[in-house]
Amino acid sequence: DAGVTQSPTHLIKTRGQHVTLRCSPISGHKSVSWYQQVLGQGPQFIFQYYEKEERGRGNFPDRFSARQFPNYSSELNVNALLLGDSALYLCASSLERHQPQHFGDGTRLSIL
Amino acid sequence: DAKTTQPPSMDCAEGRAANLPCNHSTISGNEYVYWYRQIHSQGPQYIIHGLKNNETNEMASLIITEDRKSSTLILPHATLRDTAVYYCIVRVAMNSGNTPLVFGKGTRLSVIA
Repeated sequence: DAGVTQSPTHLIKTRGQHVTLRCSPISGHKSVSWYQQVLGQGPQFIFQYYEKEERGRGNFPDRFSARQFPNYSSELNVNALLLGDSALYLCASSLERHQPQHFGDGTRLSIL
Repeated sequence: DAKTTQPPSMDCAEGRAANLPCNHSTISGNEYVYWYRQIHSQGPQYIIHGLKNNETNEMASLIITEDRKSSTLILPHATLRDTAVYYCIVRVAMNSGNTPLVFGKGTRLSVIA
């Protein structure tokens, strides 16, 4: 079975641009979460979606937004990119919210 | 902030058991202990989780102390491919509300040939 897939795998943007990252969960998984991992640190929670509704949000500015579609796939959008947004963005899915989360290999975003 | 404390690094000889400790002295009764690992350039990989009983699967064993204030992840026969950062996480498990994983800095395990 396919795991969590994320696209693109790498992306280079410049300051002020916006970006959309995509995630396809494991088949049958209803919950999707997004995490940001900067170099040398553990992943930090951004959003959790369940049944197409936002269920939780971490300490990130309003420039970050996300949504979940009827097929449970998800997008993460970041506007007005800053140099500090350079990071590995990870998507994780789980069957239900309380069950183990399974991660994709992430999108590495570099801001010039 | 992470509610767990782990040593920053450990070494293990290939073929030997790797025992990774974790302290979680403020764990609540409804919080599970989760273990993930992250191999360089990959996303975190779920290993195992438990509430109070010891757990074993094809990857590892999880030993939780009776008072639940600490736990140990055991990789029975470490291989070079087990070299990774290992994260111990406590997490409320309920199907309502927000249940994110809160990662600390983890333990960097180096398996040596």
